[in-house]
Amino acid sequence: QVQLVESGGGVVQPGRSLRLSCAASGFSFSSYAMHWVRQAPGKGLEWMAVISYDGNIKYYADSVKARFTISRDNSKNTLYLQMNSLRDEDTAVYHCAREVKPLLGPVFDPWGQGTLVTVSS
Amino acid sequence: EIVLTQSPATLSLSPGERAALSCRASQTVNNYLAWYQQKAGQAPRLLIYDTSNRATGVPARFSGSGSGTDFTLTISSLEPEDFAVYYCQHRANWPITFGQGTRLEIK
Repeated sequence: QVQLVESGGGVVQPGRSLRLSCAASGFSFSSYAMHWVRQAPGKGLEWMAVISYDGNIKYYADSVKARFTISRDNSKNTLYLQMNSLRDEDTAVYHCAREVKPLLGPVFDPWGQGTLVTVSS
Repeated sequence: EIVLTQSPATLSLSPGERAALSCRASQTVNNYLAWYQQKAGQAPRLLIYDTSNRATGVPARFSGSGSGTDFTLTISSLEPEDFAVYYCQHRANWPITFGQGTRLEIK
């Protein structure tokens, strides 16, 4: 079945870097745009970034632009999020999400369970 | 950035009752409005997209309506498993934004 599994989260000091991964299975990964969405503890959902099916088009939320980089390796069915210059307010569960249909646009289904990133000194 | 405002923040109802959750956008999102359900400790689940299209496997008691800036998610008869947090989301332009959520709790 369609599955997304995130990894790479953990505790990191402010100003440091972390790279998250999202392993996809059960579908044609190279046919879908992919997104990262985060959720701070006890808070709502915040969209972070999108990458097109071929990796050529990327958009970011203003809050992470120039600090975070989304990328993908279609040969490995894996999505990445490189997070630099981390701040306390980046503490959240980070979910990867697939668009529900190829070329439909940003409607998310399914979602991964998420990986927790804690930024703390 | 389009701001989505959900109301009420918390809705207390009993199983079998009808629930109506509202999502208002700060500017038109055309019909590009989706609804998600999130239970504690779980990832969000897509319920409705483009205002009224039910996602695969979503029960018929869930329906969406609205246009322009005002949208509603209706649950016709609440089941025990429907008590959760619900988020709306637009895809009219970048950045994509979500509403702050409505918590549907058992009365």
